[in-house]
Amino acid sequence: TQLLEQSPQFLSIQEGENLTVYCNSSSVFSSLQWYRQEPGEGPVLLVTVVTGGEVKKLKRLTFQFGDARKDSSLHITAAQPGDTGLYLCAVSGGSNYKLTFGKGTLLTVNP
Amino acid sequence: DADVTQTPRNRITKTGKRIMLECSQTKGHDRMYWYRQDPGLGLQLIYYSFDVKDINKGEISDGYSVSRQAQAKFSLSLESAIPNQTALYFCATSAGGLAPAGTDTQYFGPGTRLTVL
Repeated sequence: TQLLEQSPQFLSIQEGENLTVYCNSSSVFSSLQWYRQEPGEGPVLLVTVVTGGEVKKLKRLTFQFGDARKDSSLHITAAQPGDTGLYLCAVSGGSNYKLTFGKGTLLTVNP
Repeated sequence: DADVTQTPRNRITKTGKRIMLECSQTKGHDRMYWYRQDPGLGLQLIYYSFDVKDINKGEISDGYSVSRQAQAKFSLSLESAIPNQTALYFCATSAGGLAPAGTDTQYFGPGTRLTVL
């Protein structure tokens, strides 16, 4: 059983559309991170959320941590081709610093 | 210059060959990690090291070994490569320290694409 379930697995949209991707689990986490991986590169941290119900904004990206700290969503407003990439959520499984990643949502924004 | 570098960037090899992937970092971080990425499987942790004298197995360490030669260098070896080790391999670093677990940022290298024929 996957610790983190990300949905949808694939998403292809037109420039200017809005979208939401999800990261769900049956476990409670003290924090959750979102990374973006662009083609041919390694993942880059976008945000860390630590408080249940927390909302963080990064330009056109809005991240929310669920009230029960079991899930998170990423909403992109007016998507642009530069948003194309693999969006990964990640959590720490315990007191050490190992991260467990979801399988990701592969987003393609067409011009 | 990139903070986390990986060499080689691409490698094609044959079954049974020994392969070493190298990772260097200039961030001064104590913690280093090796991940494998396969389509549809996401990132899986192979090995991690929290300092030069500390090496730990991750989720999928079978068939791999590592060496932490210095704080800045962490190498991954495939002693006898097999085709199902064909994948994208990433090295990452993090500062650790007093940050709460799960809030530590990991910085990834650009990856090594390995093909085993």
